[in-house]
Amino acid sequence: DAGVIQSPRHEVTEMGQEVTLRCKPISGHDYLFWYRQTMMRGLELLIYFNNNVPIDDSGMPEDRFSAKMPNASFSTLKIQPSEPRDSAVYFCASRADRASPDTQYFGPGTRLTVL
Amino acid sequence: ELKVEQNPLFLSMQEGKNYTIYCNYSTTSDRLYWYRQDPGKSLESLFVLLSNGAVKQEGRLMASLDTKARLSTLHITAAVHDLSATYFCAGDHFGNEKLTFGTGTRLTIIP
Repeated sequence: DAGVIQSPRHEVTEMGQEVTLRCKPISGHDYLFWYRQTMMRGLELLIYFNNNVPIDDSGMPEDRFSAKMPNASFSTLKIQPSEPRDSAVYFCASRADRASPDTQYFGPGTRLTVL
Repeated sequence: ELKVEQNPLFLSMQEGKNYTIYCNYSTTSDRLYWYRQDPGKSLESLFVLLSNGAVKQEGRLMASLDTKARLSTLHITAAVHDLSATYFCAGDHFGNEKLTFGTGTRLTIIP
């Protein structure tokens, strides 16, 4: 398996622009997670899905952030409008069913810079 | 709300030495995870600890879990340069897949 795939790997945009980050989880995994990593706040869970349904979005910072999972193999995280404080590395992760003593597998991340 | 604290935050040690990273968590956590992150890279899973007294070892790394003390440790034996990285512990919430991460321990192995 190719692992969790994220695109783009790097994104530089200007304040006010819309940004869309994409993720393809590992095939067969039931859970998908979006994290944000910054020096100041560390690793934060933004939202996670189970079988394509959003379960916990309490970490989404504000209404400018939205996430969708239209099918089992694709998810997006959108920021509209973007602000400089959104600059961070955004990770997508997936894992199998909870019954499995398994871990979350992280993608390579998208480094977002908002100017 | 689960809180996870790691110490130390920074650790510089010589090759060949042993050391331990500590991970304390505030409330009952169903599982405890250890991850490694190299600079500019993603997180790589090291261990998943499922129950009290669990001990797992891989190479020079050994992780253990004491649920009564709400403490997990990551022990490094005879450190080598390749182990230089940031190590994170994370706990989850029973019935909830949400992971709460510690602040990470940046480990530097000096030749």
